[in-house]
Amino acid sequence: DIQVTQSPSSLSASVGDRVTITCRASQSISNYLNWYQEKPGKAPKILIYAASSLQSGVPSRFSGSGSGTDFTLTISSLQPEDFSTYYCQQTYSTPFIFGQGTKLEIK
Amino acid sequence: QLVESGGGLVQPGGSLRLSCAASGFTFANYEMNWVRQAPGKGLDWVSYISSSGGIVDFADYAGSVKGRFTISRDNAKNSLYLQMNSLRAEDTAIYYCATCSTNCYTGGFDIWGQGTMVTVSS
Repeated sequence: DIQVTQSPSSLSASVGDRVTITCRASQSISNYLNWYQEKPGKAPKILIYAASSLQSGVPSRFSGSGSGTDFTLTISSLQPEDFSTYYCQQTYSTPFIFGQGTKLEIK
Repeated sequence: QLVESGGGLVQPGGSLRLSCAASGFTFANYEMNWVRQAPGKGLDWVSYISSSGGIVDFADYAGSVKGRFTISRDNAKNSLYLQMNSLRAEDTAIYYCATCSTNCYTGGFDIWGQGTMVTVSS
């Protein structure tokens, strides 16, 4: 199985900050990497698919990069609604494993 | 739209069948997944079933549920199912069905239901 390791597990930042979350796959997965946002009581929402493609309707302050084994999610200027939990997921092959999550908190 | 049902309280060792009703798209053409989230924990992919384009649907499972859970689909009823047997306390979670507008491998899971809660406890 292809594992994905996400870091950091938690992050404190302020409104307006630029933040980066990283995800590392246990083997090369090309660009089969997605990023999700999860808020309490709501279903997860996809932000980025195929490593760098912005899902329709997602603000452009979200961006993704990487290929092979190393990937990043960047939020260019944090907004109050961005404080939530983020997950990466590999969809190169089943099982479609999610990362452990990064909880983004207000400093 | 995806709407899950069938969750509830079940004793350890018991069984439960979850359903996911799909609407607004041609269900047979879509790959489907079950994803769960235990209280206070992260997202945990459970199972995948292919769209009904081949002779036999391809299905796969997380190691933690393989041999205990079975995913299936009824395209005539626009429904996805998850038969869960030999349930354990660690199966307690919100269970979501999720699908992919294009292709799950290249496009990720972009359509999710609201989830149904499964509690395994005596």
